[in-house]
Amino acid sequence: DAGITQSPRHKVTETGTPVTLRCHQTENHRYMYWYRQDPGHGLRLIHYSYGVKDTDKGEVSDGYSVSRSKTEDFLLTLESATSSQTSVYFCAISEYPSLAGANNEQFFGPGTRLTVL
Amino acid sequence: TQLLEQSPQFLSIQEGENLTVYCNSSSVFSSLQWYRQEPGEGPVLLVTVVTGGEVKKLKRLTFQFGDARKDSSLHITAAQPGDTGLYLCAGGNTNAGKSTFGDGTTLTVKP
Repeated sequence: DAGITQSPRHKVTETGTPVTLRCHQTENHRYMYWYRQDPGHGLRLIHYSYGVKDTDKGEVSDGYSVSRSKTEDFLLTLESATSSQTSVYFCAISEYPSLAGANNEQFFGPGTRLTVL
Repeated sequence: TQLLEQSPQFLSIQEGENLTVYCNSSSVFSSLQWYRQEPGEGPVLLVTVVTGGEVKKLKRLTFQFGDARKDSSLHITAAQPGDTGLYLCAGGNTNAGKSTFGDGTTLTVKP
């Protein structure tokens, strides 16, 4: 299994509080991704990173920010959590740009279940 | 924005039956992947297809990429309870840093 860990695995917080989720990898992969998964919506990309300090927005980036100061860590921050951000958050890594070719693969972490009350 | 539509959304069958799930788009993708996700875990890659018309087999699973590279199908022969899970397709394009996921098909195989 690819070495990806997410912390915390579960979190309950209140509306308006800041929340930071951490993704840590031991594979030295260049590309890292944050997705959210909600019933009926599959996986939706929030932000991704193509290198240290290099990040870009995904399709649902409003209300989220990210940082990558080291190859191995990718942080997702909710500056002021809202109930609509209750979801399961997955981090993923890949060696090449996603789906760049036949041998590329995204490896996913175990997920973080976030509940915003 | 490139969209991928999966159908059916839910599928419940008996052990031993065959099934096909579909992944369709109006956009062309340079490659398409199928993932399987079990409850409480992250998705795991099953296959990547990159050539229009390509067919790949993985034991009882057969994957096909449409000739125009806009759609794909996953066929399972003689389904088993261990096949139960969420099946996701994901499309991407060369030089793009991100991919697009479909909404998934939840498969339940009853013993």
